[in-house]
Amino acid sequence: DIQMTQSPSSLSASVGDRVSITCRAGQNIKTYLSWYQQIPGKAPRLLIYASSTLQGGVPSRFSGSGSGTDFTLTISSLQPEDFATYYCQQSLSTPTFGGGTKVEI
Amino acid sequence: QVQLVDSGGDLVRPGGSLRLSCAASGFIFRDYYMSWIRQAPGRGLEWIAYISDRGTVTYYADSVRGRFTISRDNANNSLYLQLKSLGDEDTAVYYCARFGPTVTYFDSWGQGTLVTVSS
Repeated sequence: DIQMTQSPSSLSASVGDRVSITCRAGQNIKTYLSWYQQIPGKAPRLLIYASSTLQGGVPSRFSGSGSGTDFTLTISSLQPEDFATYYCQQSLSTPTFGGGTKVEI
Repeated sequence: QVQLVDSGGDLVRPGGSLRLSCAASGFIFRDYYMSWIRQAPGRGLEWIAYISDRGTVTYYADSVRGRFTISRDNANNSLYLQLKSLGDEDTAVYYCARFGPTVTYFDSWGQGTLVTVSS
């Protein structure tokens, strides 16, 4: 299995802040990387796939970048509804998820 | 719109069995690969199984292979997960999820159903 490591595991931020979350793959996964948002008590929601493609209906303040082993999810201006846990997921081989990054106020 | 509704979660004793269901609507179910993903309390996401669009190919995570069985009924737009030989480590919320068109990401998720393994 390909190991996915996210950092930080949690962060504190304020509304309006620019926030970046990093995901590192244990081997080259090209751009087979997706990002999900999970609000407590809810199912995850797809934000970005193929490293940088925004899923339909997702606000443009979310963006993704990277290839190979290093990837970044950026929220350009944090909104109240963005306080959640974010997961990366690789799909070069059988799917594996990162451990999550909790974005707190 | 796409909707996935998970059901079947329950309290079950160690060593017991359970069958989870996922009812799909709003899309052509037979055209999509499907998966089950679980989340233990306070933990991250763990993919556990997928099935091809026609149901001819299945694959499992090592943690459940030999104990869980994924299946589907395309005529009734339903996905299933049979769980056997359950242990404490299987306590989790179980989500069904639809693979996107390139079978590389999960673009729709059910609301989840809770399986609790406890004596």
